[in-house]
Amino acid sequence: AQSVTQPDIHITVSEGASLELRCNYSYGATPYLFWYVQSPGQGLQLLLKYFSGDTLVQGIKGFEAEFKRSQSSFNLRKPSVHWSDAAEYFCAVVHEPSGAGSYQLTFGKGTKLSVIP
Amino acid sequence: NAGVTQTPKFQVLKTGQSMTLQCAQDMNHNSMYWYRQDPGMGLRLIYYSASEGTTDKGEVPNGYNVSRLNKREFSLRLESAAPSQTSVYFCASSEEVNSPLHFGNGTRLTVT
Repeated sequence: AQSVTQPDIHITVSEGASLELRCNYSYGATPYLFWYVQSPGQGLQLLLKYFSGDTLVQGIKGFEAEFKRSQSSFNLRKPSVHWSDAAEYFCAVVHEPSGAGSYQLTFGKGTKLSVIP
Repeated sequence: NAGVTQTPKFQVLKTGQSMTLQCAQDMNHNSMYWYRQDPGMGLRLIYYSASEGTTDKGEVPNGYNVSRLNKREFSLRLESAAPSQTSVYFCASSEEVNSPLHFGNGTRLTVT
């Protein structure tokens, strides 16, 4: 079945350390790719998106993500994590299942990030 | 700029009761969505409206109905609530169906 996979349910990093959150998808064509962040008690906020072009995209709050077609991956990175980055992160993919202009957005199950001071 | 506004923020229902969750957006977006979020399940699409006047089922539509009242408003109705519908419900909107989503702050619903 076509899907979006975030293999890590929970990651803990120390403040100042680097971060990489993984996301893989299993759709045939190049989809539209997104990363969202959710703070406790809040809705989701868009961090960054990839539609086409440069495969390394920059987002808000110092995050970036790299699209790798050969690996069907869109991993999220940050060079130095801040305590305020503690939240849950969701990868999402827009794909066209029937190829008739009907798009669907599918979310991964999320990765919860904890930051140790 | 309010963005996406959901009401109520919290609700407790007894099994079999009905209720409507309200959602409004002020960004002139064409598409609107209802998701539910459950621990370990991520977000699952209940219904969406690609444009005013259209609605379509998502991944988990059973037990729900929706109404796209106008371009701004998209409501979700539970006709006969069940404990399995205990969840956090998010409304979202986007310019088009393949555009980034803007989310409301959610409605936490408990069905006893």
